[in-house]
Amino acid sequence: EADIYQTPRYLVIGTGKKITLECSQTMGHDKMYWYQQDPGMELHLIHYSYGVNSTEKGDLSSESTVSRIRTEHFPLTLESARPSHTSQYLCASSEFRTTVTGELFFGEGSRLTVL
Amino acid sequence: AQKVTQAQTEISVVEKEDVTLDCVYETRDTTYYLFWYKQPPSGELVFLIRRNSFDEQNEISGRYSWNFQKSTSSFNFTITASQVVDSAVYFCALSENRDDKIIFGKGTRLHILP
Repeated sequence: EADIYQTPRYLVIGTGKKITLECSQTMGHDKMYWYQQDPGMELHLIHYSYGVNSTEKGDLSSESTVSRIRTEHFPLTLESARPSHTSQYLCASSEFRTTVTGELFFGEGSRLTVL
Repeated sequence: AQKVTQAQTEISVVEKEDVTLDCVYETRDTTYYLFWYKQPPSGELVFLIRRNSFDEQNEISGRYSWNFQKSTSSFNFTITASQVVDSAVYFCALSENRDDKIIFGKGTRLHILP
């Protein structure tokens, strides 16, 4: 069982609000990722991190930002939420190089609805 | 650029039937890695298998089997004697050796009917 946690699981907020989605893992993994999953199921990589103080943008442009101050914590922030941000956000981690371990550990996701 | 295509958006089969989920990939690298993940209704993606580009051996794990064919750039997944608990969305994914990003296909939603 993966030790990666996301909060909140569900969030409904109004337009213009600032939100932070939390992601924590207790496995000591260096690499962490945020994926956005649209209602059509497709997963898009929006942010990733190789370790503390490392953040990179993924393949899908996103207005969200991330930070990596501690190894175990990789929060995602939206400064001003809009209805277009409504989606499921999935956090994942892996031990060093994904291509070596072959496994991403995923959290259960945060489903965001912006009214 | 790397790309993963899962042409089957949704499949429904009756319990105990066999079902194959297709995956076709594109990559310029000679070294790459292919994956399958399962996403049950709870939402959490679960890793099923990884294959590197140098290992074309097919793999069987219980009722699950995978067929990797470099000649057709395919990495298909077969469930034998399907069960209702197999109902989920299944994702095929690809990672090139040049970076550690895993790119996912659009997924196939599998319904196993009792």
